[in-house]
Order: sequence, then structure tokens, then C-alpha cells
Amino acid sequence: DVKVTQSSRYLVKRTGEKVFLECVQDMDHENMFWYRQDPGLGLRLIYFSYDVKMKEKGDIPEGYSVSREKKERFSLILESASTNQTSMYLCASSPFSGNTIYFGEGSWLTVV
Amino acid sequence: SQQGEEDPQALSIQEGENATMNCSYKTSINNLQWYRQNSGRGLVHLILIRSNEREKHSGRLRVTLDTSKKSSSLLITASRAADTASYFCATDENTGNQFYFGTGTSLTVIP
Repeated sequence: DVKVTQSSRYLVKRTGEKVFLECVQDMDHENMFWYRQDPGLGLRLIYFSYDVKMKEKGDIPEGYSVSREKKERFSLILESASTNQTSMYLCASSPFSGNTIYFGEGSWLTVV
Repeated sequence: SQQGEEDPQALSIQEGENATMNCSYKTSINNLQWYRQNSGRGLVHLILIRSNEREKHSGRLRVTLDTSKKSSSLLITASRAADTASYFCATDENTGNQFYFGTGTSLTVIP
């Protein structure tokens, strides 16, 4: 079975902290994505990666960075967390462009 | 960026009834997908329909695509309480690299 694993389900961080959200997929997929989901706004793409060490900005990259050192792992980094980054973060992967996207269970981040 | 828009935002039906939700989008697409999300969980893929297809079925699900109207519909027949979830459509731009999601339809099936 396809599996996308997000390392933390729930996190509480303080304003200004550096936050790492980790995601691992076991399907040898080329593409990986980070989305943010907020009520009434749907899913918004933060960053995506189509290959190791490659990244592309999505719609809302400000305040975030990403790292993809290995094909199976895609990390989202909040350099200096702010309260407006309190949200649910969803990692996803797909085998190639235009194909089914597989999601992790989500990480609920609260910044206080 | 392009984004699918689902309609209605919320839908409440009795168990056994059919549920229909719609998705409209703005520009040309290669593919459109429907996903389901149970409360507080990740999204689960339901169906992918390509731009040259008009209809697809999967179990109790039927998806139609009208590229001339830039719209799609998801029909769930003989609904069950377990179908209670949010449903999202996702559309790609012609590059196919990214999928953009709408804000979803919240479906409640009353037992």
C-alpha cells in the first residue's frame, strides 16, 4: 500500500522558533508537495519538488522553505514561526506529473 | 493560480439518497481529480478523469466532465453514513505539474 508518513501529528511551537515538518514516502515517487489547509480557504500549495534537490514555489511560499536531500524525504521548514502559520499541513507525493496524489495524515501546528 | 470551486459548500442528505456536488474551474486542464477527506485526516483519492473523457465510474461514484463548461460533477449513489466527509476537486494547469484544490463540499449523510 502507498504510504506517506508525516513525522508529527500535533505540534505546539512558540513564536520565533524554527520548525521542521518531516515527510517520508515509500513509493519511490518523483514529486512531493507541501500544502496548507485552513477553514474556508481549502488547500493551498506551499512548495513542491519534482526531483531530489529541486524545488518550486507554490502559491504561498513566504515564510517557508523546503529541503529534499533524498528522494523519499521532503521537509518543510518554518524559519521563524508566527501565529498566522497556525494551520494543518499536508504532505503529498505522486509518481509523475498529472497523476494521483497521495496524502499523509496531516500535521496540526499551533504557534503560540 | 487556477483553483476548482465546489458547489454547494455544504450538503445534508438522508442515508440512501444520492448526493451530487459540482466543481467549476477557470482555464484548460489535462486532468481533474476528486478527493475525500474525513474530519481531521488526510485526503484520499477517489477518481481521476482526463480532459478527453466525459464520464467515469467507480463503485457508487460517478464523475462527469464537461470541458466546454469547465465543470465536473461527482455523484454518490445510495449514500451511507460513512460517506460523511468533505469532498474536493483538484485541477491541473496544462503543465500537469501541480494540482490546485478547491475549498470543498462538506457532505453530511444522516442515518
